[in-house]
Amino acid sequence: TQLLEQSPQFLSIQEGENLTVYCNSSSVFSSLQWYRQEPGEGPVLLVTVVTGGEVKKLKRLTFQFGDARKDSSLHITAAQPGDTGLYLCAGDNSGNTPLVFGKGTRLSVIA
Amino acid sequence: NAGVTQTPKFRVLKTGQSMTLLCAQDMNHEYMYWYRQDPGMGLRLIHYSVGEGTTAKGEVPDGYNVSRLKKQNFLLGLESAAPSQTSVYFCASQGAGVYGYTFGSGTRLTVV
Repeated sequence: TQLLEQSPQFLSIQEGENLTVYCNSSSVFSSLQWYRQEPGEGPVLLVTVVTGGEVKKLKRLTFQFGDARKDSSLHITAAQPGDTGLYLCAGDNSGNTPLVFGKGTRLSVIA
Repeated sequence: NAGVTQTPKFRVLKTGQSMTLLCAQDMNHEYMYWYRQDPGMGLRLIHYSVGEGTTAKGEVPDGYNVSRLKKQNFLLGLESAAPSQTSVYFCASQGAGVYGYTFGSGTRLTVV
């Protein structure tokens, strides 16, 4: 069974601070996705990374896929209260099987 | 608006009762999934479907059944509800050749 470990589990920071969350596995994935989930809602896809070493930016969010395609990170610059939520990473094995989800990092940005 | 619609949004059941959760998508997606989300456990896959008329078991299928008679609908049934099935249930869909899942807004189920 492929597992994705996310760290930290919880993160509480002040508005304006920077942060990084991690998604690690011992398995290789063909692609990796990041989702954000707000209270009372379903997860929403933020980005998909496909190539080892790939870096994608979405405004203040920077996503990186590890060279060996076993890990990924999400960096948020100058966090805002609107960034508050549960961040989930999900790995795609081959496209023929369901995604494997990590348990998430719960981020709270305090104004 | 296009997307995934789940009904009902909230439900309280007594132990032993049965119910069906409905998931409908209007994006002509091939793949559909049912997850449950519990504190500290993350999203766990219950059942999924790779096309109309097909279903497969996920990580935690016991106590649940599913059907996909029409491409746009994926039904999740609980035949005899148990308190351990208290959870938030999410449906998701995915188009063929598309990376991301589109999730519904969830059904909060409480079994007393």
